[in-house]
This record gives sequence, C-alpha cells and structure tokens, in this order.
Amino acid sequence: NAGVTQTPKFQVLKTGQSMTLQCAQDMNHNSMYWYRQDPGMGLRLIYYSASEGTTDKGEVPNGYNVSRLNKREFSLRLESAAPSQTSVYFCASSELGEKLFFGSGTQLSVL
Amino acid sequence: GDSVTQMEGPVTLSEEAFLTINCTYTATGYPSLFWYVQYPGEGLQLLLKATKADDKGSNKGFEATYRKETTSFHLEKGSVQVSDSAVYFCALYYGNNRLAFGKGNQVVVIP
Repeated sequence: NAGVTQTPKFQVLKTGQSMTLQCAQDMNHNSMYWYRQDPGMGLRLIYYSASEGTTDKGEVPNGYNVSRLNKREFSLRLESAAPSQTSVYFCASSELGEKLFFGSGTQLSVL
Repeated sequence: GDSVTQMEGPVTLSEEAFLTINCTYTATGYPSLFWYVQYPGEGLQLLLKATKADDKGSNKGFEATYRKETTSFHLEKGSVQVSDSAVYFCALYYGNNRLAFGKGNQVVVIP
C-alpha cells in the first residue's frame, strides 16, 4: 500500500525560483491537504481540497497556489520562492476529515 | 476560533518512566479530539481519538480521556520505551474536513 506519496523528498531553491510539489494518494479519499511544519509552530494548513474540483485557503496561503488535478493528485506550487518558505511540507488525505493519512514530507530550503 | 494548546518544551525521560503530555482545547461545542504521532523522518499518523466527553481513547499503551469540565485531553503512558521517542501532536476537528493541530511535543526516551 503506497498511501500518500510526495515528491521530491528534498529540494534546494534559490530565492525567486519556482517549483511544484507533487502529491498523490491511492485510497480514493475525497479530501486532500497541504501543511507546512516549522520548529515551534507545529503544523499549519496552507490549502486544502474538500473534494475534486474544489480548493480553499488555510491559515497560511500567501505565496502558494494549488491544483487538484483529479481525485488522486493535489499539487502545491511556489511561484517565487522566498527564504520564509524554508520548511518541511506535508501532504495528507482523508475521507471524513478526522483521520488524516500523511506523506513522508518534502524538506525545502530556499537560499 | 477552535484551537488546542500543548505544554511547552521537549520532554526527556528514562525508559519505563511515566509519560504525561498536556493538551487543552478551546472550542464551541464538543469537537472530536485526537493525538497524532510523528516518528523521525516520517509523516504524522493517528495514535488515538475520542469523540465525546468522558470517552477514553487508547492505542499502543497510550491513553487520553476527553474531559469536558477541564477542556483537556492529556496523553499518558505508564511505561515508555525508547521506541516511543517521537513528536506528539494534539488536534481537534473543527468542521469542513479540517483539523487544528497543537505545536507538538518532542519526547526523547533515554535507555
């Protein structure tokens, strides 16, 4: 069982560069999420998608865009990376919004 | 808005010691409450949950009781092992398929 798969696992960007984080789930879940994890800040919701075709902002959406490509895939795009976006990014999915299944994370450094 | 607050700072303890991690919540109504665990290098995974007042969630020797009168959901384990070293997050469900996470507590168990 693959569960939630995120790519890449590690990425280093220069300020101003763009990149897309990919996420796919094979559990047929309706809801998908992008979180960032920073020391002392816990997990903060960036964007989420309650179902295919819908996306909504979370707590910290500035500087990010998302695409719910289909039921399986939910990507996160940084158009112009900034050092403040250095973080560990987690994708998650759920069916009912209570039990989330997380990917193993992407460690992003913006220099 | 609905939120959870976890005790400050990491927790370091010896193997077979008793573990308590405090969590209090602020919410309108009585949301479902959760503890998630993150092992090194992995995403979060659900450890236990409670859906109403006085419910006790339990899993892998961990327990937490939903206390309406003190708005708390403290995590306990009677005898920790080195393998319990991880980061523990308290969370509550605040509707629309979303969870609010606490900042997490690093637990280090020394042999």
